[in-house]
Amino acid sequence: RKEVEQDPGPFNVPEGATVAFNCTYSNSASQSFFWYRQDCRKEPKLLMSVYSSGNEDGRFTAQLNRASQYISLLIRDSKLSDSATYLCVISRASGSRLTFGEGTQLTVNP
Amino acid sequence: NAGVTQTPKFQVLKTGQSMTLQCAQDMNHNSMYWYRQDPGMGLRLIYYSASEGTTDKGEVPNGYNVSRLNKREFSLRLESAAPSQTSVYFCASKGSTVTGELFFGEGSRLTVL
Repeated sequence: RKEVEQDPGPFNVPEGATVAFNCTYSNSASQSFFWYRQDCRKEPKLLMSVYSSGNEDGRFTAQLNRASQYISLLIRDSKLSDSATYLCVISRASGSRLTFGEGTQLTVNP
Repeated sequence: NAGVTQTPKFQVLKTGQSMTLQCAQDMNHNSMYWYRQDPGMGLRLIYYSASEGTTDKGEVPNGYNVSRLNKREFSLRLESAAPSQTSVYFCASKGSTVTGELFFGEGSRLTVL
């Protein structure tokens, strides 16, 4: 079983839609969780960290479910500019080694 | 604001040739990383260096060597390139050991013929 698994998509949604991605992880010792965004042929960039209590940043909401070992990302009121690949990233207690999921591709259509 | 700088950005090699990818960061980060990304796939960790003077293998270290030259620089060497090493290589650095954002370079696109 892969350490981090994501539905690769692609997700195609109209502007204004709400879309959600999940990411499951296999190692219960995982401590830190992140969502990164990667535009085509560019380097990944941090979108948001995921905290135990859940957190929100504008139209983006991230949640962590330790019991079921998954994190989620919800995007409300999708914009064309949200089209990208969303990468789930997990680190263990030491924090040094980060493992990436394969990414979920999102296309927002006009 | 340089951040993480990788060179070269593009390289074409023949099978069996060697080369070194250079990476430097100016953010005084302790941890540095080399990832590879193949089409339609996520990033796979090749090697990382949690601090100056230490290096550790990641998921896919075979065929690569690394050197943490000093706190700023972390190089990746292909001793005998193979077509399977055709990929986009990303260098990254991170400040905090537990939390903290990974900062990536722009990537180095390597083709091995």
